[in-house]
Amino acid sequence: GQNIDQPTEMTATEGAIVQINCTYQTSGFNGLFWYQQHAGEAPTFLSYNVLDGLEEKGRFSSFLSRSKGYSYLLLKELQMKDSASYLCAVRGPSGTYKYIFGTGTRLKVLA
Amino acid sequence: EAGVTQFPSHSVIEKGQTVTLRCDPISGHDNLYWYRRVMGKEIKFLLHFVKESKQDESGMPNNRFLAERTGGTYSTLKVQPAELEDSGVYFCASSFSEVKLFFGSGTQLSVL
Repeated sequence: GQNIDQPTEMTATEGAIVQINCTYQTSGFNGLFWYQQHAGEAPTFLSYNVLDGLEEKGRFSSFLSRSKGYSYLLLKELQMKDSASYLCAVRGPSGTYKYIFGTGTRLKVLA
Repeated sequence: EAGVTQFPSHSVIEKGQTVTLRCDPISGHDNLYWYRRVMGKEIKFLLHFVKESKQDESGMPNNRFLAERTGGTYSTLKVQPAELEDSGVYFCASSFSEVKLFFGSGTQLSVL
């Protein structure tokens, strides 16, 4: 079956570092994506991993281990505007454009 | 550059009525996708167009749902007749390459 698990909610303090984990079991794998979604707005692309390792982009980094079916999104120097839902998504086998999403992790950043 | 736009942003209809959702992708994006999020659940794939052709419609729930993309530009998703379980947020997304999806803000559909 297809399954993506991520925590439902997390809380962190402004200026801190938070790690959002995602584990997946899918029938195929052709990349893992992280999207950010503020309430009532469109999900926006944050990062993409297709090979094992860490991808860094400013305050955000994403890690992938394909053998473990595991990824995390690391947010550094948290700001209040980082309060949002973070969606983990896996793209299926080559030849398909179908994305499988997790339910999302709602992050609250406190002052 | 204009993003993906969806209309309407909200729709409230009664069971048995028809509703048509519209999506205008980013200009030049051949790939257009429809996804749906039912309350408390994950975003789920409905279908994928490449230009005007349906590439994959394996996620369409049943034959009450009809998606079209005439001319390969904007797309419509019609639900006829609507049922209570069709309530949710319908997202449209488009892409040029297969790496990154650009999403619209969604249409919140409430079937009463």
